[in-house]
Parts: sequence; C-alpha cells; structure tokens
Amino acid sequence: DTEVTQTPKHLVMGMTNKKSLKCEQHMGHRAMYWYKQKAKKPPELMFVYSYEKLSINESVPSRFSPECPNSSLLNLHLHALQPEDSALYLCASSQDRAYEQYFGPGTRLTVT
Amino acid sequence: LAKTTQPISMDSYEGQEVNITCSHNNIATNDYITWYQQFPSQGPRFIIQGYKTKVTNEVASLFIPADRKSSTLSLPRVSLSDTAVYYCLVGGAAGNKLTFGGGTRVLVKP
Repeated sequence: DTEVTQTPKHLVMGMTNKKSLKCEQHMGHRAMYWYKQKAKKPPELMFVYSYEKLSINESVPSRFSPECPNSSLLNLHLHALQPEDSALYLCASSQDRAYEQYFGPGTRLTVT
Repeated sequence: LAKTTQPISMDSYEGQEVNITCSHNNIATNDYITWYQQFPSQGPRFIIQGYKTKVTNEVASLFIPADRKSSTLSLPRVSLSDTAVYYCLVGGAAGNKLTFGGGTRVLVKP
C-alpha cells in the first residue's frame, strides 16, 4: 500500500468555525508533512513531523495547529481562518526525512 | 536557504526528449534533489531523486554536475500524458529546509 489518504476532499468553513483535516498512511513512514498550495504556485511547507515529533514549523500562524496522534496519522486543526487561507492542503509522508515523499490528493479548503 | 529556480514553461512534441533544468546555487552539503510531477487537482508524484552525478530509473534521468548548483531532469520520448507541472525540491536531510522550485509547466503537443 503506497497510498496517502486525506479527508475530507473538500471543505468550506466560515471564519469562526473549527475544523480538522486528516491524513493517514500505512507505509511505515516516520516523517509526515503538511503543505499549503495556492493556485499555480508550488507547495509551501508548513510542518514536518519526524518520529511523531514536530521537527519543523515554518512560522505558520497559530490558527493552524498540527497533531500527530501516532505514526500513521496526521491532523491539521483549523480555527478562525481567514479567506486568504483558502488553498489546497497537501499531506505527504516519507520513510525518513531525506527520502522521497508520497503525497495525498489534498483537501481543497475554502474559507468564507 | 536554497533558492530554487526553474523555467516557467516549456513546449514539446510527442516522442521528443524534454530536459528541465533547476538552479539551486545555495544547496547545502547534505541536501538531496528530488523531482515531482503534478497534474491539476492532484498531489505531486515522485519522479526521481539524486545527490550527485547521474541517476536513472524507468521514467526519467537526473543529471547533477559536480558543483551541485543545478540539476537537469530528462524525460525521454514524452507522450501527451506527460503534460503536467514539474517541480524540483531541494533539501530533505534532518534540520535542512525543504524548498520547491516555482514549477515548470510542460505542454506536450501531438
């Protein structure tokens, strides 16, 4: 199984809502990533977890809160988002930090 | 921090070889170079990864000169289904930044 799954596929939320994005992999990978991608732009790294510990936070606003409950799961908790946070949110995993990443299909987030 | 630049777009024809060069002047000693392909509304898909010299797999080759300040992805005999955006990614080792290039839109024409 070389798949990274993400739920939901689409999400529309208001600026006062609280929602969560979920990512799952069963490849035994020990590094997991969250990226944000705006239209016609490259993915921007947000967070990296390595061995279930947060190892990189790219100065992401606190309205985005990552969580890694176990080695297979990665969540991104969203609260009080702004319309400019609307984007495709991609999750990825890799065997370890230096290895190739496997990306999920993404969650298309719209903040109204 | 490695600033990573690529051509914005490139046109080709079916059956031709496509070469995309990525410039990464500030690459760190232990950074890897990885290339991904992305179709609209999908996550990027791994193509190839290298550290130095030449790497080849069943879909592409990656050429990295000795100074490692650039890399070239080579796609042999492209088909219409290779129309996509191609990204280079520099970094990956623990503690190092991960920096995507701006992406190269490749259009393969019949």
